[in-house]
Amino acid sequence: QSALTQPASVSGSPGQSITISCSGTSSDIGNYNHVSWYQQHPGKVPKLMIYDVSSRPSGVSSRFSASKSGNTASLTISGLQAEDEADYFCSSYTSGGSSWLFGGGTKLTVL
Amino acid sequence: QVQLVQSGSEVTKPGASVKVSCKASGYSFTGYHMQWVRQAPGQGLQWMGRINPNSGGTNYAQEFQGRVTMTRDTSIRTAYMELNSLTSDDTAIYYCARVYCTERCYNALHIWGQGTLVTVSS
Repeated sequence: QSALTQPASVSGSPGQSITISCSGTSSDIGNYNHVSWYQQHPGKVPKLMIYDVSSRPSGVSSRFSASKSGNTASLTISGLQAEDEADYFCSSYTSGGSSWLFGGGTKLTVL
Repeated sequence: QVQLVQSGSEVTKPGASVKVSCKASGYSFTGYHMQWVRQAPGQGLQWMGRINPNSGGTNYAQEFQGRVTMTRDTSIRTAYMELNSLTSDDTAIYYCARVYCTERCYNALHIWGQGTLVTVSS
C-alpha cells in the first residue's frame, strides 16, 4: 500500500506561518478521522503533535494546528521558531492491509 | 513514568534473523497494544504490526506477513519483534510504541522506545 504523500521540504522565516500537506485516498484520510502528525528532530524519537485530525496532546504548543478536507490533511505552524526546524510526518488509519500509513516526511527549514 | 526501553543495536548478515525487545514500565503492560514501526535511514516511518500483550494476538502489515513474528512475556513486561530473511533493505531503526490515552485511547503513537538500529550487511 502506498504511503501518504507529503512535500519533501518547506521553509519559512521566524514569525511566519507554514502549512504542510498530506495527501491520501478515500481508504485512509478520506474515510477516517484518525490523522496524526509527528515532529522528529535529527537523531531523536518522533513526537506526537496532533491526533484525531486536529487535537493537540497536552504540552504541545497552540502554534500547531491541523485540519482535513477530503483526502488531504494539513498541518499549520504559526509564529515559526528556530526550534520548529525538524522533519514532520503525517499518519492515517487505513482500511487496507496495513492499519497505519505514514507520509514520507517533510523537512521544515526555518530560514 | 511511562517508558519503553529497547534492546541495543544489532549488526547482522543477509538471510539472518534479528529479535528486538521492548520493556515497558509505568503503566499496565497488558492494557495496551504494542505497535512496531521502523524507519530506514533518511526515510519515512513504516508500520510493521502490533501485538495485544493480554491475549498475544497479533496483526501484521501485509508487507511483513510471513517474515515477522511479534511475541510478549508478561512476566517481565516485555514485547519482542523478530524479523527473518533479512536483506540490506531491512537496515533501519526499529521502534516500539504505544498509543496516546487520556480518558480513552486514540489511534496515534505517543510513547516511543528509544529505537534499535539494525544494520544488515555482509
